[in-house]
Amino acid sequence: AQTVTQSQPEMSVQEAETVTLSCTYDTSENNYYLFWYKQPPSRQMILVIRQEAYKQQNATENRFSVNFQKAAKSFSLKISDSQLGDTAMYFCALFQGGSEKLVFGKGTKLTVNP
Amino acid sequence: GAVVSQHPSWVICKSGTSVKIECRSLDFQATTMFWYRQFPKQSLMLMATSNEGSKATYEQGVEKDKFLINHASLTLSTLTVTSAHPEDSSFYICSAPKSRSRPDTQYFGPGTRLTVL
Repeated sequence: AQTVTQSQPEMSVQEAETVTLSCTYDTSENNYYLFWYKQPPSRQMILVIRQEAYKQQNATENRFSVNFQKAAKSFSLKISDSQLGDTAMYFCALFQGGSEKLVFGKGTKLTVNP
Repeated sequence: GAVVSQHPSWVICKSGTSVKIECRSLDFQATTMFWYRQFPKQSLMLMATSNEGSKATYEQGVEKDKFLINHASLTLSTLTVTSAHPEDSSFYICSAPKSRSRPDTQYFGPGTRLTVL
C-alpha cells in the first residue's frame, strides 16, 4: 500500500523568509513520482513541483525546491523568499506507476504573514 | 495549456434528489479521468477512475450505485450523485492526465461544491 504523511497541520512564516514543509511516504515500487500541490482559498489544485523517483537531482521551480531523500522516503518542500500569495494548503502526493493513482497527504496549511 | 473544467461550480439540492456533475477536458483528450471528494479541511480522497467507453473503477468503500460515473467521450466524464443525502455534501474534484506518456501529471478541475439540504 502507498501512504503519504504530512506531520505539520499548520505552519506560518514571515514574508521574504524561508519555510520547509515535511513529507514522508511509503511505497513498494521503484517506479513512482512525487508532487507538491498548492490549494489556495479558491480550491483550485495547482502543481508546484514534480520529482521523478529515479532522478537523484532535486527538482527546483523558481522559489520552490525539494529535498528528496529516497532511502529515507522523505520529500520536503522549501519555499524561499515567501510571498503573501504562497498562503495556501500544500499537499504532498505520490503517484505509483503500477496503480497509476495519486495518493495525497493530509496537507499543511501555510500562512505567510506580512 | 491544458484545462479541465467542471460544471456546475456550486449546487444545492434537496435530500433524495440526484445531481450530475460534469468534467470536461477542454483542449486534450482523456481516456481516463479521476474523481475525488474533499471534505472541509481534509485531503483529497480518490473515489473512482473513469474510463472512456468502459465501466468506472471504484475505490474501496465507495458505493458505485450511489455515485454513477459515465465517460461517454474522450473529453467528458460525468458523476451523478443519486438520492443525495446531507452526508454527501462535499467538494468534488475531477482530474485528467496530461497525456498517455505522462499519466503521473494530472490537470485538475476547479471543483464542484455540493450542498444537500
